[in-house]
Amino acid sequence: NAGVTQTPKFRVLKTGQSMTLLCAQDMNHEYMYWYRQDPGMGLRLIHYSVGEGTTAKGEVPDGYNVSRLKKQNFLLGLESAAPSQTSVYFCASRQTSGNTGELFFGEGSRLTVL
Amino acid sequence: GDSVTQMEGPVTLSEEAFLTINCTYTATGYPSLFWYVQYPGEGLQLLLKATKADDKGSNKGFEATYRKETTSFHLEKGSVQVSDSAVYFCAGGSQGNLIFGKGTKLSVKP
Repeated sequence: NAGVTQTPKFRVLKTGQSMTLLCAQDMNHEYMYWYRQDPGMGLRLIHYSVGEGTTAKGEVPDGYNVSRLKKQNFLLGLESAAPSQTSVYFCASRQTSGNTGELFFGEGSRLTVL
Repeated sequence: GDSVTQMEGPVTLSEEAFLTINCTYTATGYPSLFWYVQYPGEGLQLLLKATKADDKGSNKGFEATYRKETTSFHLEKGSVQVSDSAVYFCAGGSQGNLIFGKGTKLSVKP
């Protein structure tokens, strides 16, 4: 009963390095999201996807790219990491397109950029 | 655009005290409203929700009522426990994506 799984859970990068965070869900959900959580800022939406092959920008998309090649996976990439991207990243998914569906979250990925 | 504003913490209470965490929203439509809880080291999980005006969501002794006239969805619990220590997020949305408040950290002391 995995739900939403994020890998890796922890990562330390140097400025300018690249990396990819992987989110996998086994609930056959259409909608997937990437958020970042920073102290005093709550959760802010980076990018989201409404189905396989689609992506869209959220509130804070700059410096990130995403891909949804398979329905169950949603990848978040950092091409050139910056210290401002030090954060905890959460992936989430939901089934319905309306505003009543529950979001299911992964356990988070803590990224530190030195 | 839609926005959610919730009471900022931290909030520290003694066990069995009464809890209220305020949340108000602004939206162009009629959003569903949610409270999520985040325990230390974990992701967020749904605590309760309400999908229309006057609905009351409840779970684990927590309650919140969707008040359209005051655009509010305040979280309440009559008697908190140490195990309720967590960060609570109010969220809402009317256009498919949820907007989250900044979170309120609750610490309950024995």
